[in-house]
Amino acid sequence: QVQLQQSGPGLVKPSQTLSLTCAISGDSVSSNSATWNWIRQSPSRGLEWLGRTYYRSRWYNAYAPSLKSRITINVDTSKNLFSLQLKSVTPEDTAVYYCARGPGTLRTWGQGTLVTVSS
Amino acid sequence: QSVLTQPPSASGTPGQRVTISCSGSSSNIGRDNVNWFQQLPGTAPKLLIYTDNQRPSGVPDRFSGSKSGTSASLAISGLQSEDEADYYCAAWDGGLNGWVFGGGTKLTVL
Repeated sequence: QVQLQQSGPGLVKPSQTLSLTCAISGDSVSSNSATWNWIRQSPSRGLEWLGRTYYRSRWYNAYAPSLKSRITINVDTSKNLFSLQLKSVTPEDTAVYYCARGPGTLRTWGQGTLVTVSS
Repeated sequence: QSVLTQPPSASGTPGQRVTISCSGSSSNIGRDNVNWFQQLPGTAPKLLIYTDNQRPSGVPDRFSGSKSGTSASLAISGLQSEDEADYYCAAWDGGLNGWVFGGGTKLTVL
């Protein structure tokens, strides 16, 4: 059974970089049949897909167009995890952030991390 | 503004049948599978329906999904008090090349 465990700070100052990690158990981040996604949820924007990474003989990344200039998703194969970095955050980036496993269906989700952007 | 359109609220009494609609376009629901999620307060969304009408193991058969063209529906029969939650539809969007979601429907069991 695949499980995703998120970690990272719950408070980030404006203009700084938000960083979260998602540790995978029961599967490999290098799996040829999985995709690893970041999604956030806020009252104003609802559920919003941020991006994904996946391995198909090489690594691929895809990002939501609205965030493309600020977002990076990385992988650490030695620790079997993937991470989210969102730079130059503003209060608009305050949300609950989730990692989730795809493709085809988002069957498994992390527990969620509330990230507040505030000075 | 969410890409997929859901009614903000729905309600029913115990034992009733309730349906929740989800409207999209040819780039998402019209070309790819629909997922439905149930979200209880303070928890992550839980997969309820995938591939339009398939239930993961453990999801009661009171929950069913259907799709026609660019619209989909979630039906809950034999409504129970524990069904009170937020429900979201989702689909892959080939134009945006990413997942898109509905704005969510808050189901109240009266």
